[in-house]
Amino acid sequence: SQQGEEDPQALSIQEGENATMNCSYKTSINNLQWYRQNSGRGLVHLILIRSNEREKHSGRLRVTLDTSKKSSSLLITASRAADTASYFCATDEYETSGSRLTFGEGTQLTVNP
Amino acid sequence: DGGITQSPKYLFRKEGQNVTLSCEQNLNHDAMYWYRQDPGQGLRLIYYSQIVNDFQKGDIAEGYSVSREKKESFPLTVTSAQKNPTAFYLCASSPLGPGTYEQYFGPGTRLTVT
Repeated sequence: SQQGEEDPQALSIQEGENATMNCSYKTSINNLQWYRQNSGRGLVHLILIRSNEREKHSGRLRVTLDTSKKSSSLLITASRAADTASYFCATDEYETSGSRLTFGEGTQLTVNP
Repeated sequence: DGGITQSPKYLFRKEGQNVTLSCEQNLNHDAMYWYRQDPGQGLRLIYYSQIVNDFQKGDIAEGYSVSREKKESFPLTVTSAQKNPTAFYLCASSPLGPGTYEQYFGPGTRLTVT
């Protein structure tokens, strides 16, 4: 079953603008990860945030995690056309095997030049 | 050049035929996974394996089978029992240990069954 739900399903912005994507989940987690997928390709890992962390940065990416609201957000600052891709959150659920992840439905981001 | 490979990139089969998708990794990862992705959708876990000669069903295992005879290889067979096999199939691998690690994905195999 899909645990994570991304919001919005699709987002279209202009180059230079910031893009914010949200992910909500249902059960307790050990950590939450964000992945990127270019059209027709495999996924690439972006960032992992643990359940005891509230915010994490990596380059132009900023991820927040609110375990009380069971939600996370991914912010991409100063977006570029090359950021056009689908973005997925994935959760490592506390009750399941430590190695498996549950992926959300994804947000399709389009950055217009 | 370390990584995870899947072959072929595109695969066409007639309905009623079994087909095997290849997945190989040289990252020395213990865990390997197979996902199915339908258009505009997220990933759904088919099977995963944490050790050679052992594997577990994911959320949508019906109509699929796997083997893990070598650490490097985790082939997926789509059987004729799978009612709607046309999809994009992704293989991934990850280390194992305390906590969870990022998964490394192959480029995917797009299977079309007619």
